[in-house]
Amino acid sequence: GQQVMQIPQYQHVQEGEDFTTYCNSSTTLSNIQWYKQRPGGHPVFLIQLVKSGEVKKQKRLTFQFGEAKKNSSLHITATQTTDVGTYFCAGHGFGNEKLTFGTGTRLTIIP
Amino acid sequence: ETGVTQSPTHLIKTRGQQVTLRCSSQSGHNTVSWYQQALGQGPQFIFQYYREEENGRGNFPPRFSGLQFPNYSSELNVNALELDDSALYLCASSLGPLSYEQYFGPGTRLTVT
Repeated sequence: GQQVMQIPQYQHVQEGEDFTTYCNSSTTLSNIQWYKQRPGGHPVFLIQLVKSGEVKKQKRLTFQFGEAKKNSSLHITATQTTDVGTYFCAGHGFGNEKLTFGTGTRLTIIP
Repeated sequence: ETGVTQSPTHLIKTRGQQVTLRCSSQSGHNTVSWYQQALGQGPQFIFQYYREEENGRGNFPPRFSGLQFPNYSSELNVNALELDDSALYLCASSLGPLSYEQYFGPGTRLTVT
């Protein structure tokens, strides 16, 4: 079945440093979504990418979808304490209602 | 506009018992998906309901079942509880069954002893 892996599993950064998490799927995806889950909270939708090679920005966050639609990345510039949480990518296969979540990258910020 | 709500917040059950979890979808959403999230892991898709019919299922045994009602709220039922069923159960609603962003509820923390 479809598997989605993320690296790194954990990332500790100094406040103000950049952060990147990478997402790789075993199969081609029709779209990729990114979610953020704060400690003790529930996943909150950040963005969806659909097109091959698509790049989207939200303030300090940059999201990319690979040309082959099998990988994606999230880059945060100049991290802040509010960025703390676990970032999940999640993808749909073609014509598949099942949303497969990645393994997640847990970001902690050192003030 | 009301967000996704779930009840109860926490639940403790004994192995072998049955449990029912409830979810109210966001206004205007006709699709509900259920996920199981074990500690330190990503949510795992259990199944999805669209217009009161099951519309897809993950790798979960038949003792996991569900319902969706005409108002699009939903229930997740788990029979013959096992210790490994201890997890956070998340409900998410969306505008449709495919490729739409999921709006998650706060979850139900189930502990099986």
